[in-house]
Amino acid sequence: DAGVTQSPTHLIKTRGQQVTLRCSPKSGHDTVSWYQQALGQGPQFIFQYYEEEERQRGNFPDRFSGHQFPNYSSELNVNALLLGDSALYLCASSLYPGGKNIQYFGAGTRLSVL
Amino acid sequence: AQKITQTQPGMFVQEKEAVTLDCTYDTSDPSYGLFWYKQPSSGEMIFLIYQGSYDQQNATEGRYSLNFQKARKSANLVISASQLGDSAMYFCAMREEGGNNRKLIWGLGTSLAVNP
Repeated sequence: DAGVTQSPTHLIKTRGQQVTLRCSPKSGHDTVSWYQQALGQGPQFIFQYYEEEERQRGNFPDRFSGHQFPNYSSELNVNALLLGDSALYLCASSLYPGGKNIQYFGAGTRLSVL
Repeated sequence: AQKITQTQPGMFVQEKEAVTLDCTYDTSDPSYGLFWYKQPSSGEMIFLIYQGSYDQQNATEGRYSLNFQKARKSANLVISASQLGDSAMYFCAMREEGGNNRKLIWGLGTSLAVNP
C-alpha cells in the first residue's frame, strides 16, 4: 500500500522562475493539503484540495496556486519565485472530512531558489 | 488566537529511558484535535498520536502516550523506553474543528537526541 509520494525530491530554481511540485495521495485518500516548512520552523499551511476545488487557503500570496486531478493527485505551482520561497514543501493526504482526519505526509520536495 | 508552543528546542535522553516533550496550546474553539508528528532528517512527517478535545482518556500508541491536561491546555508527548531510532525532530500540531477548518497549526518543534 503506497503512502504519499512527492516529486521531485530536490529542485533548484532561480529568482523569477516558476515551479511545479507534484503529489500522489495515500491509497484511499481523497484530500490533499500542502504545507511550506522553512528551515528551523514548523510547517505553514498553504491550501487544501478536495473534489478538485480549493477548500481552504492559508496566508500565502496568489503566486501560490494548486490543482487537484480526478485521481486525487495534486500539483502546487509557484510563480515568480523569490529567495524566501526556499523551503521544504510537504504534501499531506487525508479522508474528507470526518473522524480524526489524520493527515499523512510525504517526504517533501526541497526547493532552493538562487 | 490559535497557537502551539513548544518550549524545548532540544532534549537529550539515554537509550531505554522515558522522555517527555512539552506542548501547550491556545484556542477558543471547544472542539479541537491535537497531534504529534516525528520528522527524521529525511524530512518526512510521521504521524505518531492523536488526542481529541472531548476524549476522556489519554491517547496511547505503542511506546507513545499523550499526557492531556485540558485545563492547563497542555498535550505533552511521553516516549517510553527510548530507542536510537527515536532521534528526530518532534512537532506538536492542532486543528480547530469549528467552521470547517482543515488546517494544522504547528509548533517550532523539539529536537530529540537519544544517547547510547
